[in-house]
Amino acid sequence: SQQGEEDPQALSIQEGENATMNCSYKTSINNLQWYRQNSGRGLVHLILIRSNEREKHSGRLRVTLDTSKKSSSLLITASRAADTASYFCASRGGSEKLVFGKGTKLTVNP
Amino acid sequence: GAGVSQSPSNKVTEKGKDVELRCDPISGHTALYWYRQSLGQGLEFLIYFQGNSAPDKSGLPSDRFSAERTGGSVSTLTIQRTQQEDSAVYLCASSLEMGTGGGYTFGSGTRLTVV
Repeated sequence: SQQGEEDPQALSIQEGENATMNCSYKTSINNLQWYRQNSGRGLVHLILIRSNEREKHSGRLRVTLDTSKKSSSLLITASRAADTASYFCASRGGSEKLVFGKGTKLTVNP
Repeated sequence: GAGVSQSPSNKVTEKGKDVELRCDPISGHTALYWYRQSLGQGLEFLIYFQGNSAPDKSGLPSDRFSAERTGGSVSTLTIQRTQQEDSAVYLCASSLEMGTGGGYTFGSGTRLTVV
């Protein structure tokens, strides 16, 4: 079963606004990662946050992790039309495989 | 190569036929993973390889599915006697080595349609 669950399933915003996506997971993790997918094909790794980290930044991306609530959030600031894509969280627990959620479909309107 | 290469990019097959999907990982990446994604859904884990061995095959949906990896490089995913429910995008990813906990590099996937 899927371990990560993203919320919301779909998000539509205007260019320039911030976009926040949330992810919950069920078991303890070593790290949590966020990926982006365009047009239902290959995923691109965006950012990784380890279980002992609470916040991480990369350009316009900010990721937070709350291990007590088993949740993470991805914030995209000053969104652009080119940010339109599906965003997935993926958690790595004790095994080597990543467990992906169902994703949030983000639409940024120009 | 520069990225993870998958072939074919699209495959249409008749129900009951066998298909082979190929993945060529980034050179030097010892870990290789197969996932599949049904329309509008998340990624479903199938199998991963460390070198040529597959420590976790738990995601293979049935005995019609098999995968191998040779020379620690190219991997093939074989689906025998395809069914319509096998229609999905099959994604391959590689990473430098297991245990580093880093991110995956994905290929563009093979879209399989069983008619």
